[in-house]
Amino acid sequence: GAVVSQHPSRVICKSGTSVKIECRSLDFQATTMFWYRQFPKQSLMLMATSNEGSKATYEQGVEKDKFLINHASLTLSTLTVTSAHPEDSSFYICSARPGGPQETQYFGPGTRLLVL
Amino acid sequence: AQSVTQLGSHVSVSEGALVLLRCNYSSSVPPYLFWYVQYPNQGLQLLLKYTTGATLVKGINGFEAEFKKSETSFHLTKPSAHMSDAAEYFCAVSSYNQGGKLIFGQGTELSVKP
Repeated sequence: GAVVSQHPSRVICKSGTSVKIECRSLDFQATTMFWYRQFPKQSLMLMATSNEGSKATYEQGVEKDKFLINHASLTLSTLTVTSAHPEDSSFYICSARPGGPQETQYFGPGTRLLVL
Repeated sequence: AQSVTQLGSHVSVSEGALVLLRCNYSSSVPPYLFWYVQYPNQGLQLLLKYTTGATLVKGINGFEAEFKKSETSFHLTKPSAHMSDAAEYFCAVSSYNQGGKLIFGQGTELSVKP
């Protein structure tokens, strides 16, 4: 149980285009989902927290107009990287949590984004 | 604010030897503590967690960790390393009043020599 999927697993796009990444909890309802960014050989950096039906809460320094997050249902959250540039190239990982703050976050397999 | 420090960005052990990965945290409120493992180009998998109760926590794949409040530590151990344990390990802290947001350490890469 507690499986989280991400789609696509990797994507290559041209500079200036937008890319949407989906995160789904397959066998549980996620009241909260999180989006992280990970650079090579580095730790995970929390980008934003999203709760179903409400606006995402972004961490300091993360541009909300560039990284659009939608949490339309209890099993789906999407991250759209708008007008992507090469510096947005990274590994994006989502996680989903079935309950309150003491519950475990379950992570997706990640999406590798390369912007040319 | 909460923070996590993992001592040693890289640890190398021989197959069959003890694995010890160190994690110290800082938190002004009761912490929730987690260890996750990441294999190359994959997401994170939970090894174990401490929220309340017993301070010695057993996880998957033979790993365990002990919450020591006086030392603000949550070190991860395994009695006998397997080749398949080679991966990146992350310690993380969260708390109820931070909404359960995970703050990760910088990670420790574990290598296992045959």
